[in-house]
Formats: sequence, C-alpha cells, structure tokens
Amino acid sequence: NAGVTQTPKFRVLKTGQSMTLLCAQDMNHEYMYWYRQDPGMGLRLIHYSVGEGTTAKGEVPDGYNVSRLKKQNFLLGLESAAPSQTSVYFCASRPQGPGELFFGEGSRLTVL
Amino acid sequence: GENVEQHPSTLSVQEGDSAVIKCTYSDSASNYFPWYKQELGKRPQLIIDIRSNVGEKKDQRIAVTLNKTAKHFSLHITETQPEDSAVYFCAANVPGILTGGGNKLTFGTGTQLKVEL
Repeated sequence: NAGVTQTPKFRVLKTGQSMTLLCAQDMNHEYMYWYRQDPGMGLRLIHYSVGEGTTAKGEVPDGYNVSRLKKQNFLLGLESAAPSQTSVYFCASRPQGPGELFFGEGSRLTVL
Repeated sequence: GENVEQHPSTLSVQEGDSAVIKCTYSDSASNYFPWYKQELGKRPQLIIDIRSNVGEKKDQRIAVTLNKTAKHFSLHITETQPEDSAVYFCAANVPGILTGGGNKLTFGTGTQLKVEL
C-alpha cells in the first residue's frame, strides 16, 4: 500500500515550457486535491476533484489544468510555465466526506 | 469562499512549556477542523481534528478547542519537547453541496513552532 505517490519529485523548467505532474493513490479515495506551498502562504488549493471525471477550481487555479480520467489518478498540468509557478506542489486524497487528508511527498518545481 | 487566519506565524517556547496556536474561519457552514504538522522537507501529517458538534478534544499532550459562535479554534500543546518543533497548519472544511461544490479544505498560513532546550 503506497498511499499517495507523486511524480516527478523534482523538476526544473524554462519559462513557457509545459509539464504534467502525476498523482496516484491506491486507497480508493473519492476526493483528490492539488495544493501549492509557498513560504509564508501555507497550502493553497489549486484544483480538486470529488470523483472520477469531475474537477473544480480552488483558490489559485489560473495557469493550471487538471484531469481525473481514472479514480486513482489526478493530473496537474502547466501549459506555459511562469516563474511565479515555482513552488512545492502537494497532492492529497481522502475518502468521501470530512476526514483526514493523505498527502503525497511533494513535487518541487522550479521555473527559470 | 472560506478564509482561515492563523496566529502567530512564529512561536518560540522553552522545553516543557505550553504552546497555543489560534485560528479563525469565516464560513459558518464549516464542519471539520483538522490540524497538521509538517516537519522540514516532509509532507503535512494530521495530528488531531475536531468536528463541529464537539467543543474540545484531547489526545495525550495535544488538545483542540472549538468555539463555533466566535468561529475560532485553537491547538494546545502541553509539556513541549524538541520534537514538537515544526510548522503547524490549521484548516477548515466546507461541506459539499449536492454535486460537491464544497468539500474543500482551506488551510491557514502556518505557525513555525520552535521548542528550545
């Protein structure tokens, strides 16, 4: 049981490049989330999903897209990376309803 | 949407003292309030949570209190130890409405707790 797995763990991009972060969970959770963490700003919600085939915007969705084609996977895409997207990205999942959020190890993205 | 404010941003205590971190939230519909601990370079992990129908919850040296009327909740750590040094985040959950417009967990900005020997 791996829990929540994020790939890649580190990535350096140039401005304007695109990339996709993959989040996979093996706990059969309904809800999945993408957060970004910046110094002094806590964890800010980018997008989330309450089930396969659904997505919704969080607090800071601009510049990101997501897809949840399979229940176990939640993809975060950056179509044209900007330096402001340099951050640590955390994926998380939980069962339906309020309860513990299980986080991945994080992905550190640097945009030059 | 929900707004969660957390204070203080940094907190330094002597080993053995108590530490208190406070949070306020804006959405009266919020029904679940967890606290996460994040050690340097690690992922956040749940340490305690409380639901809106409970006023207080305790787990060994950690306790959380909730005041729904005032819309604030607090984390209390007693007999602090060096391994308690970390960043602590509070959060509030807005429940889902029909197709799930809620079900979002909004986090505070974090408190860096340092326990000094």
